[in-house]
Amino acid sequence: EAAVTQSPRNKVAVTGGKVTLSCNQTNNHNNMYWYRQDTGHGLRLIHYSYGAGSTEKGDIPDGYKASRPSQENFSLILELATPSQTSVYFCASGDAGGADSDYTFGSGTRLLVI
Amino acid sequence: GEQVEQRPPHLSVPEGDSAVIICTYTDSATAYFYWYKQEPGAGLQLLMSVFSNVDRKEEQGLTVLLNKKDKQLSLNLTAAHPGDSAVYFCAVSGGNNNNRIFFGDGTQLVVKP
Repeated sequence: EAAVTQSPRNKVAVTGGKVTLSCNQTNNHNNMYWYRQDTGHGLRLIHYSYGAGSTEKGDIPDGYKASRPSQENFSLILELATPSQTSVYFCASGDAGGADSDYTFGSGTRLLVI
Repeated sequence: GEQVEQRPPHLSVPEGDSAVIICTYTDSATAYFYWYKQEPGAGLQLLMSVFSNVDRKEEQGLTVLLNKKDKQLSLNLTAAHPGDSAVYFCAVSGGNNNNRIFFGDGTQLVVKP
């Protein structure tokens, strides 16, 4: 079954440490996305990718990097984690266009930066 | 870029009543419209998707209405039950930012038994 899998599901990190959130999709979608979800803000786009080797800045990219080494994998990297990056992070894959346009979301990663 | 506004942010209805959530968007070129449901601790689950040539779509107690003239999208849960309690998000895509999907801020729906 096509899916988006995120790891880890939960993460505790120390301020100043490096954090990598991983996402794998089996949908064969070209586009992948990283969002964070905070109370009162809904979903905010951090980075996205059109395909392997490409990364694009979303609406709130500061403090985050992204890597798309393959069609299936898209990582979000916090080089120097800060408490303000405590949030729930969602990865999604999708292809806009066509009557069956669909976006599939992972189950989320809860990150606590202390 | 595209702006999506969703209302209300919170909605509480008795079991058996209908619940209506409304979104407005700004890009007249927007072509695809979605409603997602998020249960506690989970990701977003697609409920329905609608292409811009459709004004009304009904599935399993859910009705989506699309008013392109007013750039408005609505979700109506008829005869809501407690299992419908969740956060609902509208989303749109396919406008001038063709590779992006834009979300509303969500509606917390509580259906009281």
